Amino acid sequence: ELKVEQNPLFLSMQEGKNYTIYCNYSTTSDRLYWYRQDPGKSLESLFVLLSNGAVKQEGRLMASLDTKARLSTLHITAAVHDLSATYFCAVDIGDFNKFYFGSGTKLNVKP
Amino acid sequence: DVKVTQSSRYLVKRTGEKVFLECVQDMDHENMFWYRQDPGLGLRLIYFSYDVKMKEKGDIPEGYSVSREKKERFSLILESASTNQTSMYLCASRLRGSGNTIYFGEGSWLTVV
Repeated sequence: ELKVEQNPLFLSMQEGKNYTIYCNYSTTSDRLYWYRQDPGKSLESLFVLLSNGAVKQEGRLMASLDTKARLSTLHITAAVHDLSATYFCAVDIGDFNKFYFGSGTKLNVKP
Repeated sequence: DVKVTQSSRYLVKRTGEKVFLECVQDMDHENMFWYRQDPGLGLRLIYFSYDVKMKEKGDIPEGYSVSREKKERFSLILESASTNQTSMYLCASRLRGSGNTIYFGEGSWLTVV
């Protein structure tokens, strides 16, 4: 059974600090996705990583993928309150591209 | 913009009722999904459809069925609702093929009493 594990599950940080969220997965895949969910809302796509060594950046967020280690990271630089949300990673596998999600990391950035 | 529309945002149903959750996408996507989201458990795949009339079970299909008679519409059916099916249900769609991201609907909050 495919497992997608994120850590930490909860993260409380001060504005201006840096931190990294980790996403490990248990099967071979070179397709990894990051999503953001605001409270009471649905998920929106942040990044799509499609090869070993892929790196994508948007504002204060940067995502990377190491397929050999089966690890993706989401790095937050100089956090601001607006980044407070729950972040999910997902892996797609199989012939029909079923998506499997991690449990999510709830990020709270304190002013 | 991709639009995935779930017909009901909030529903309250009684135990034993049959419940239909409807989802429509306007982007001609082949793949459609139903997930449920519960605190601490993340998103769990209920059913997946890769084409009209085609479906696959996800990780937690028990107590649910689905219908995909038209490409744009994917329905989730709770044959006899139970209180442990109280949850948020998320519909999603994507274009077939590697590297295409999923687009989610706004979610349907179902309470079974």
